[in-house]
Amino acid sequence: AQSVTQLGSHVSVSEGALVLLRCNYSSSVPPYLFWYVQYPNQGLQLLLKYTTGATLVKGINGFEAEFKKSETSFHLTKPSAHMSDAAEYFCAVNTQGGSEKLVFGKGTKLTVNP
Amino acid sequence: EPEVTQTPSHQVTQMGQEVILRCVPISNHLYFYWYRQILGQKVEFLVSFYNNEISEKSEIFDDQFSVERPDGSNFTLKIRSTKLEDSAMYFCASRKTGVGTDTQYFGPGTRLTVL
Repeated sequence: AQSVTQLGSHVSVSEGALVLLRCNYSSSVPPYLFWYVQYPNQGLQLLLKYTTGATLVKGINGFEAEFKKSETSFHLTKPSAHMSDAAEYFCAVNTQGGSEKLVFGKGTKLTVNP
Repeated sequence: EPEVTQTPSHQVTQMGQEVILRCVPISNHLYFYWYRQILGQKVEFLVSFYNNEISEKSEIFDDQFSVERPDGSNFTLKIRSTKLEDSAMYFCASRKTGVGTDTQYFGPGTRLTVL
């Protein structure tokens, strides 16, 4: 069965600093991996995804993530944090086959300090 | 850009009452999902629906829950007799089917509060 572990329930960075949100997965099949962002009082918005091909994927708002099979990781990064990046970020793996439901990590709340 | 919509945004109900949460998926999508997020916890899969039937459900989705696509646009989640522990944010999602259609698009959620 697939699972996702997000290290760090809260991450705090200064504006302009590097953002690094960690995600490790477990999957018995080649994974499809996703990062979603949830702004306060809003739904889940897709940031980026990895399915096949290039292991470095770019998403919206300057975020990117690298799929590393050897480390079973899919960490999310952004070179320079902006105040508007403050949100909760969820990593998810697609179960593939059947209904392809998403299995989510517990989420990481990102705080950006001025 | 088309989006998934959900109503109401917030529902307050008494324990034991029935509630129906409504979703309008993106119009050309064929796979529909309900997830829930209890405050402070992870987003959890409840059920998926395709071709007018449940394709998969979690252990959370017991006999108190049901889903329906009553017409060509709505997708509903019914909880027959709500419990305190049903208080959560409920998200609807939809996706296309076929090659390269792996992305699920989520609605803004309905916050259910059971008193």
